[in-house]
Amino acid sequence: EPEVTQTPSHQVTQMGQEVILRCVPISNHLYFYWYRQILGQKVEFLVSFYNNEISEKSEIFDDQFSVERPDGSNFTLKIRSTKLEDSAMYFCASTYGNFNNEQFFGPGTRLTVL
Amino acid sequence: QQPVQSPQAVILREGEDAVINCSSSKALYSVHWYRQKHGEAPVFLMILLKGGEQKGHDKISASFNEKKQQSSLYLTASQLSYSGTYFCGTEIIPNPDKLIFGTGTRLQVFP
Repeated sequence: EPEVTQTPSHQVTQMGQEVILRCVPISNHLYFYWYRQILGQKVEFLVSFYNNEISEKSEIFDDQFSVERPDGSNFTLKIRSTKLEDSAMYFCASTYGNFNNEQFFGPGTRLTVL
Repeated sequence: QQPVQSPQAVILREGEDAVINCSSSKALYSVHWYRQKHGEAPVFLMILLKGGEQKGHDKISASFNEKKQQSSLYLTASQLSYSGTYFCGTEIIPNPDKLIFGTGTRLQVFP
């Protein structure tokens, strides 16, 4: 069964460093998402991406964040200068249609900012 | 905009039933239900699209009210494997291009 994959599973970084989280969505999916979950809290929407551009973003997704689909298979989230409060689990999701469709979640990347 | 889930936590013995509610102040395109085990990704359970809809599989079912602002998840004859945190994810009219998740309901099933 096709699945969303994410790498790395755990990333530890120093405050102020740049990190890139990688995702490979399901191959025939067209809509891609990043969510984050701070430990013990709810899942929060960050950004949605379609046709090589951002279609929606939350207030969390400020200028420090960017997304890219560099090669038609990977979907990346970059945080330019990490802060302590960026420590969270980051989930990538993908879906074929843009709403009323199941979103398939990847296993997540745990980001720890020291 | 964030949907409100209730209760926050439920403790059950195996075989008991539970109901988890998800309420939105705005009309919804859809409600998605997910279960998340500790340290894992959310796992999709089901999606409801139409007002008045009810659907389910095995002993887990859900309903969506006519106004499309409330959904309930029904867990009957609970099993140990049902333990986890349940989230409703909502697509809100008129901006459906994202899931807005509720605060979650932690369910623990004991033998």
